[in-house]
Amino acid sequence: AQSVTQLGSHVSVSEGALVLLRCNYSSSVPPYLFWYVQYPNQGLQLLLKYTSAATLVKGINGFEAEFKKSETSFHLTKPSAHMSDAAEYFCAMDSSYKLIFGSGTRLLVRP
Amino acid sequence: DVKVTQSSRYLVKRTGEKVFLECVQDMDHENMFWYRQDPGLGLRLIYFSYDVKMKEKGDIPEGYSVSREKKERFSLILESASTNQTSMYLCASSLLGKAGELFFGEGSRLTVL
Repeated sequence: AQSVTQLGSHVSVSEGALVLLRCNYSSSVPPYLFWYVQYPNQGLQLLLKYTSAATLVKGINGFEAEFKKSETSFHLTKPSAHMSDAAEYFCAMDSSYKLIFGSGTRLLVRP
Repeated sequence: DVKVTQSSRYLVKRTGEKVFLECVQDMDHENMFWYRQDPGLGLRLIYFSYDVKMKEKGDIPEGYSVSREKKERFSLILESASTNQTSMYLCASSLLGKAGELFFGEGSRLTVL
């Protein structure tokens, strides 16, 4: 069965530190993959997407993600965290014209 | 500015009441979706629609129904609300063929007492 797993429901980093949010997928064929961000009291917003054109994908606000087929992973990174990055992040996989979401990772940024 | 608008941000209802959650998008999108969001469970798809008067069940359709009479409007209906339907409900839309690129509303937080 297709699924998306996000390791770590909460990740805490210091301002200026590297952000790494982990996502693994399970699918019989390489899927399209997405990262969404949800700021407090708001809906989700598309951060970036992988659609097989390039394995390293750049998104908004300095985030990027790398698709690794051998590891079935699509981890999200940002070199230097800002306080404004504090939010919940969701990894998602395209499956038959709909998205399957992971359970989410809440990013906390310490001053 | 393109938008998905959900009619109510916060609702409080009693067990057994009929509940309507309305969603309107102004982007002329074909696809519309209703998700519920619960802590630790992520987003789960309730129903979706790819055309007027068309609807498809998602992963958790039990206890819900939907209506899409116009392209821009997608309604979620709880025929008889129960306490386990207390949740955040998110509406989203996308272009046909781009189901992964969703535009979300701000959500409707429903509490059923």
